[in-house]
Amino acid sequence: QITLKESGPTMVKPTQTLTLTCIPSGILITTSGVVVGWIRQPPGEALEWLALIYWDGDTGYSSLKSRLTIVRDISTNQVVLRMTDMDPADTATYYCVQGMYGDSVANWGQGIMVTVSS
Amino acid sequence: QAVLTQPSSLSASPGASASLTCTLSGGINIVTYRIYWYQQKPGGPPHYLLRYRSDSDKQQGSGVPSRFSGSKDVSANAGILLISGLQSEDEAVYFCMIWHSRTWVFGGGTKLTVL
Repeated sequence: QITLKESGPTMVKPTQTLTLTCIPSGILITTSGVVVGWIRQPPGEALEWLALIYWDGDTGYSSLKSRLTIVRDISTNQVVLRMTDMDPADTATYYCVQGMYGDSVANWGQGIMVTVSS
Repeated sequence: QAVLTQPSSLSASPGASASLTCTLSGGINIVTYRIYWYQQKPGGPPHYLLRYRSDSDKQQGSGVPSRFSGSKDVSANAGILLISGLQSEDEAVYFCMIWHSRTWVFGGGTKLTVL
C-alpha cells in the first residue's frame, strides 16, 4: 500500500517561502515510471497542479514556475516543494500525489492546509 | 495548451442518472486521451473513480460501483462520467483529468447535488 505524508508549516506570512515535505511509503521515488508531485486546492475551488518530479530526477512545473522548486532526497525517499513570495491567494490545501508516468494520479496524501496571513 | 472545462454544478434526483461532461480544448483531439475521473467529498482528497479512453481501454477504480461509468462524445471533444441510480452519497465534486505534455491537467470540477 502506498501512502504519502505531507509536512510543513500550516501558516506563513506574506512574502515568506513555503517549504513542504512529502514522504512516500510503499514506493521508491527512483523506481522507473514513478512520478511524485504537488497539487493544491484553495478552499472551495478547483485542483491546481504545481510541480512534479520524475523517477529520473527530471522536473515539470506549472505556470507558477518562477516561484516553485521541487527537489528530491534519494537517501531519505523524500520530495520537497519550495514556493517563494507567498501571498494570501496561495492559501490552500497542498496535496502530495503520486502516479506512474503517463497515467493517473493514483495516490494522494491527506493534504496540508496552508494559510498565508500576516 | 490543454484546458478541461466542466460545468460548475449539476442537480439530479435520487434514482436518476447524471451525466457529467469534461470538454477538452486547446486544439487537442480527445480521441487518444485517457480521461480520469475523481470524486471529492468535503474534508478529504479526491478519490479515483475510473479511467476511460475507449470501450477496450477502460478501468474501474478499486471498489467503485459499476453504476459509475465513462464514455466520450467525440463530436463534442468531451469525456463523460455517467452515474446511474443516484444515491445521496454520490453528492460530491467530480473532477476530470488527463495526462498531457508530461503533466497532469485537471478540470475545474462539477458539484453534483442529489435532491
